Amino acid sequence: AQSVTQPDIHITVSEGASLELRCNYSYGATPYLFWYVQSPGQGLQLLLKYFSGDTLVQGIKGFEAEFKRSQSSFNLRKPSVHWSDAAEYFCAVGTTGGGNKLTFGTGTQLKVEL
Amino acid sequence: EAGVAQSPRYKIIEKRQSVAFWCNPISGHATLYWYQQILGQGPKLLIQFQNNGVVDDSQLPKDRFSAERLKGVDSTLKIQPAKLEDSAVYLCASSVTDTRDWLREQYFGPGTRLTVT
Repeated sequence: AQSVTQPDIHITVSEGASLELRCNYSYGATPYLFWYVQSPGQGLQLLLKYFSGDTLVQGIKGFEAEFKRSQSSFNLRKPSVHWSDAAEYFCAVGTTGGGNKLTFGTGTQLKVEL
Repeated sequence: EAGVAQSPRYKIIEKRQSVAFWCNPISGHATLYWYQQILGQGPKLLIQFQNNGVVDDSQLPKDRFSAERLKGVDSTLKIQPAKLEDSAVYLCASSVTDTRDWLREQYFGPGTRLTVT
């Protein structure tokens, strides 16, 4: 069975600083990987996804993520954080070959200091 | 394009009472999902429908939870009787049904926050 680990529960960065959120996955085959963002009282919004090909994936709002098979990681990055990026971020792994089942990590709460 | 709609947004009930949540997916999305998100955790899939059939309900506590999607469009999730540990946000999501995995992005609704006292 697949699983996702997000080792950082809370992260605080200053506005304008760079950001990296960690995600490690466990899956028996080539994974489909996702990053979602959840603002208070809102549903989940997809930031980016990886299915195959280029291991550096660009997403919305200036985010990117890099798939590293050797490290079973899919870390999310942003070069310059904006105060509006404060939210909770979830990494997820999806099943392949049908089913479309997502398994989420426990999330990382991002706080942005002005 | 309208997103996934859910109601109510908030619900407070006492333990042993029953409650129902409603979800209307994006038009044309044949696959519908219900997730439970307990505070401090990521969403956990409860049940997945394709049209009006159940694809996966392996994590649905069937002694108290039930869900239906009778006409293959909107769906209702019910809890009867509720327990304190059912306090959570219940998220509904939908996606197209396609054999190409990369096209089946899940779109989430705003969720229903349930508090059981």
